[in-house]
Amino acid sequence: KAGVTQTPRYLIKTRGQQVTLSCSPISGHRSVSWYQQTPGQGLQFLFEYFSETQRNKGNFPGRFSGRQFSNSRSEMNVSTLELGDSALYLCASSVDRGDQPQHFGDGTRLSIL
Amino acid sequence: KNQVEQSPQSLIILEGKNCTLQCNYTVSPFSNLRWYKQDTGRGPVSLTIMTFSENTKSNGRYTATLDADTKQSSLHITASQLSDSASYICVVSAFFNTNAGKSTFGDGTTLTVKP
Repeated sequence: KAGVTQTPRYLIKTRGQQVTLSCSPISGHRSVSWYQQTPGQGLQFLFEYFSETQRNKGNFPGRFSGRQFSNSRSEMNVSTLELGDSALYLCASSVDRGDQPQHFGDGTRLSIL
Repeated sequence: KNQVEQSPQSLIILEGKNCTLQCNYTVSPFSNLRWYKQDTGRGPVSLTIMTFSENTKSNGRYTATLDADTKQSSLHITASQLSDSASYICVVSAFFNTNAGKSTFGDGTTLTVKP
């Protein structure tokens, strides 16, 4: 069974640009969550999607948004990029909400110049 | 406020030695505690998950213990290998609040195993 797939693996952008990251969950998993990981802050929860609806949202500005499609694939968008957005963005999936443990992808490393 | 504190922040050991990582939490009421291993440049991988009634759970050379009374957990690694070099993250969920986003993450312990 294929794991969680995130694309692209690496991305370099400049301040002010926008970016879209993609996540394909494990087949049959309906819950997809996104996390930001930085050396100083550890793993920070961004949002969770289930059945194409955002169910939970972390404490991030509105520049961070996401969506989920009917096949459970999810995308995350960050607009007006700032230097502080440089981080590893991780996606995790589970069969249902509250299922543990979540299965993580290998992330997208986003660097802002 | 729910908190998860891990210690030490970093640890260096020689190959073949044992080590123990600590996780103290204030999450209440407790539902479950998970340990993840994260290799450099990769996503976290689940090692163990323990609920209130479980004191010990093993996964190969990894053994996690849980003391729900003192709100402490430890991850013991036996006969360490170079491949154990990674960050180990402790995550705790509260009862009735196990959904994503309601878990509390520790900052992790970075383990380096040297030959």
